[in-house]
Amino acid sequence: QQQVKQSPQSLIVQKGGIPIINCAYENTAFDYFPWYQQFPGKGPALLIAIRPDVSEKKEGRFTISFNKSAKQFSLHIMDSQPGDSATYFCAASSADGLTFGKGTHLIIQP
Amino acid sequence: DAGVTQSPTHLIKTRGQQVTLRCSPKSGHDTVSWYQQALGQGPQFIFQYYEEEERQRGNFPDRFSGHQFPNYSSELNVNALLLGDSALYLCASQRTGRMDYGYTFGSGTRLTVV
Repeated sequence: QQQVKQSPQSLIVQKGGIPIINCAYENTAFDYFPWYQQFPGKGPALLIAIRPDVSEKKEGRFTISFNKSAKQFSLHIMDSQPGDSATYFCAASSADGLTFGKGTHLIIQP
Repeated sequence: DAGVTQSPTHLIKTRGQQVTLRCSPKSGHDTVSWYQQALGQGPQFIFQYYEEEERQRGNFPDRFSGHQFPNYSSELNVNALLLGDSALYLCASQRTGRMDYGYTFGSGTRLTVV
């Protein structure tokens, strides 16, 4: 049973555009929501994370929006660059560990 | 400051064999988790070790076992390998109680079972 649903599966955006990746969860025990970026041949790297008592968090060009009542959260990448091309995973944490979404393969075209 | 180190980077094993993967956590981290990432999928939680004990376990069979040493390094053992065990195995470390720092992942061990 997939506990964190991520969409879209793949996304192509022109340089400078704002890709948006969405995630939804069911388990109300989740208390921490990180986003990870993964390049081919590498492990996931933490980008940004949010707790459910906060509705938005910005770090550089990355923004998380969080809707606790809808159990949804999303990642926005401002002024996207070709170097942002990677696979992005949302995740949710509980006492049982991290549960990942299936990932979004993002391509930023020059 | 070294991050999470995993060895080996690649490994080919025959079905039915046993394999041991190793992980050294980031300096200052005392909790180690292991994940399996199949091609094109998100990482799946295998188990977590803290104070040399398995603290949490995901939905993986007993063929998957682990160990944590006093220096916080860890091993993942898989017995009776199946073709379906072929995946990238990721180790992640964390300082217990500091969820705001998140997990730091290693680059993984690519296991191929033939």
